Amino acid sequence: DIQMTQSPSTLSASVGDRVTITCRASQSIGSWLAWYQQKPGKAPKLLINKASTLQSGVPSRFSGSRSGTEFSLTISSLQPDDFATYYCQQYNSYSRAFGGGTKVEIK
Amino acid sequence: QVQLQESGPGLVKPSQTLSLTCTVSGGSISSAGYYWSWVRQFPGKGLEWIGYISYTGSTYYNPSLRSRVNISADTSKNQFSLRLTSVTAADTAVFYCARDRNEGLDVWGLGTTVTVSS
Repeated sequence: DIQMTQSPSTLSASVGDRVTITCRASQSIGSWLAWYQQKPGKAPKLLINKASTLQSGVPSRFSGSRSGTEFSLTISSLQPDDFATYYCQQYNSYSRAFGGGTKVEIK
Repeated sequence: QVQLQESGPGLVKPSQTLSLTCTVSGGSISSAGYYWSWVRQFPGKGLEWIGYISYTGSTYYNPSLRSRVNISADTSKNQFSLRLTSVTAADTAVFYCARDRNEGLDVWGLGTTVTVSS
């Protein structure tokens, strides 16, 4: 089965910072990767699919990229509303494994 | 717009079977190209994908849960359901149902908390 390794598990940053979260797949998944944002007590929200396709309504400060089996979610200028936990998920195979999550905290 | 809502007991005894239902409104679970998933989140922890049932009725489960999980659908009620057998306290979690278009999970229910305790 495909495993997704996400890093860091916690990230402390300030408003206006550029932050990058990384997700590595244990084998090739093409660009079949999604990123989610989850706030406490809420369901996750799909931000990006196909590694880099921004969903409708998602601010353009969010972007996704791929290099081989390594994927990145970048927030170009962190806003107060962005403090949350972020997850990657692969959907290349029948199984849909999530990464372990990255909590973005206020520094 | 499509909405999903989970329902079921909030408390299950150890060794018993956890049963949840997801009711879909605003769209049909038989619509081509859609997969209907269950995801859980342990207290204070990350997300675990449980499995899905497709629009054709085929299912696929997380290998770590395969021996205990069953997902079924009732197209007449536009619902799909999760059964997890032989539960223990380690199965205590928030359970979400979600729509999967094979491009990520784009619509989620609000989630329902299930506690396993005697």
